[in-house]
Amino acid sequence: DQQVKQNSPSLSVQEGRISILNCDYTNSMFDYFLWYKKYPAEGPTFLISISSIKDKNEDGRFTVFLNKSAKHLSLHIVPSQPGDSAVYFCAASAYGNQFYFGTGTSLTVIP
Amino acid sequence: DSGVTQTPKHLITATGQRVTLRCSPRSGDLSVYWYQQSLDQGLQFLIQYYNGEERAKGNILERFSAQQFPDLHSELNLSSLELGDSALYFCASSVGALVYNEQFFGPGTRLTVL
Repeated sequence: DQQVKQNSPSLSVQEGRISILNCDYTNSMFDYFLWYKKYPAEGPTFLISISSIKDKNEDGRFTVFLNKSAKHLSLHIVPSQPGDSAVYFCAASAYGNQFYFGTGTSLTVIP
Repeated sequence: DSGVTQTPKHLITATGQRVTLRCSPRSGDLSVYWYQQSLDQGLQFLIQYYNGEERAKGNILERFSAQQFPDLHSELNLSSLELGDSALYFCASSVGALVYNEQFFGPGTRLTVL
């Protein structure tokens, strides 16, 4: 029972363009969401978060959008850089309890 | 470097065996989380300890158990291993008990069951 889904296993983007990574969830009780970035042979690292009281959160080149009615989350990276090439996981939590993770999207930024 | 260490990095064993994975959290962190990442799967939350006590349990099999010691390091014990237990096992730590505190992940232990 996958409560958080990332339907695109991979994405390729030219350097300097926008990368958009998508995430869908099924549990309407989720109230806190975040994105993690993972390089090969390393553990995931926190990227950005958003609570359900907001619909947007920005941190430099990274912006997360939340559409609660559609149960949809997206991460925008502008401009994309080769160093952004990694696997990105979205995750969701309800009431501060365990995180449910998506299966990840592998982003390749082409120089 | 997240400050979270996990040993060993790689482990190869046979079906039916038992293994122990070890995690040392960041200095000052009281929570330890264990996750399993199987092939083509997202991270699955297994269990959380906070200051020595079990705080939350996820999709952890009965063959698996964990504990957190007084020095706050944690061990994940996997027994009666099956082929399907082959996965990356991550440990993460955070300051507080709730998930709103940022979790810092270790590099993982890759378990291969033959």
